[in-house]
Amino acid sequence: AQSVTQPDIHITVSEGASLELRCNYSYGATPYLFWYVQSPGQGLQLLLKYFSGDTLVQGIKGFEAEFKRSQSSFNLRKPSVHWSDAAEYFCAVGGPNFNKFYFGSGTKLNVKP
Amino acid sequence: DSGVTQTPKHLITATGQRVTLRCSPRSGDLSVYWYQQSLDQGLQFLIQYYNGEERAKGNILERFSAQQFPDLHSELNLSSLELGDSALYFCASSVGSGGAQDTQYFGPGTRLTVL
Repeated sequence: AQSVTQPDIHITVSEGASLELRCNYSYGATPYLFWYVQSPGQGLQLLLKYFSGDTLVQGIKGFEAEFKRSQSSFNLRKPSVHWSDAAEYFCAVGGPNFNKFYFGSGTKLNVKP
Repeated sequence: DSGVTQTPKHLITATGQRVTLRCSPRSGDLSVYWYQQSLDQGLQFLIQYYNGEERAKGNILERFSAQQFPDLHSELNLSSLELGDSALYFCASSVGSGGAQDTQYFGPGTRLTVL
C-alpha cells in the first residue's frame, strides 16, 4: 500500500542552523516525490519535486532534497534556516499516471531566534 | 498568492446541514482538485475534475459531491454534515489533466466548523 511517513511531528532549530526533515515512503512503482510547505493560514506551496534523473533536487527558498531509493527516503534539507521558514512541511508521493497524492502527516518547524 | 481562490474562508454550520464550497482555478488551468485536511485524518485527496468531467476519485464520502462548471470553477457540496466533517478544505488547480508532472497550485482553503 502507498504511504508516506514523516517521523518527526515537531522540530525546533535555531535560526542559521541547518535543517533536515525526514520522509520515508512506500510505493509500489516508481515514485514521484514532492515537498510542500504550509504557512499558518495559507494553502500548500510546492517546494520541489523529484521525477527522475539526478537524485539531488533543488527547490525554491534554498531547499533541496535527496532521493535515496535504497532507503525509500526523500529528506528535505536547508543549510541555513531563516525565521520565515517556520511552517508545516508535507512530503507526498504519487505516480506518473495517477491523480492522487498520498501525503505524510506533516512536520511542524519552529525556528528559534 | 497561488491564483486559486476559495470562498468562503470560514463556514460555521450545524450537524445535518448542507454547505457548498466554491473554488476558482488559476487562469488557464483545466483541472481542479479537492482535499480535506483534518487533525485526525491529515491531508486527503477527495476528487479531481478536468475540463468539466470527473477525472479521479479519492477518499470522498457519498454525502459529498462536486462538480466543475463550464467556466471551470468548481463547487464541493457537503450534505448531512457530521461533527467529524469539520476540517480545512483545500482546492488546487493545474494546467493539465493530472498526473504527478502536472503541478498543483493550492488555494488558501475553507475552514468548515460543524457544531
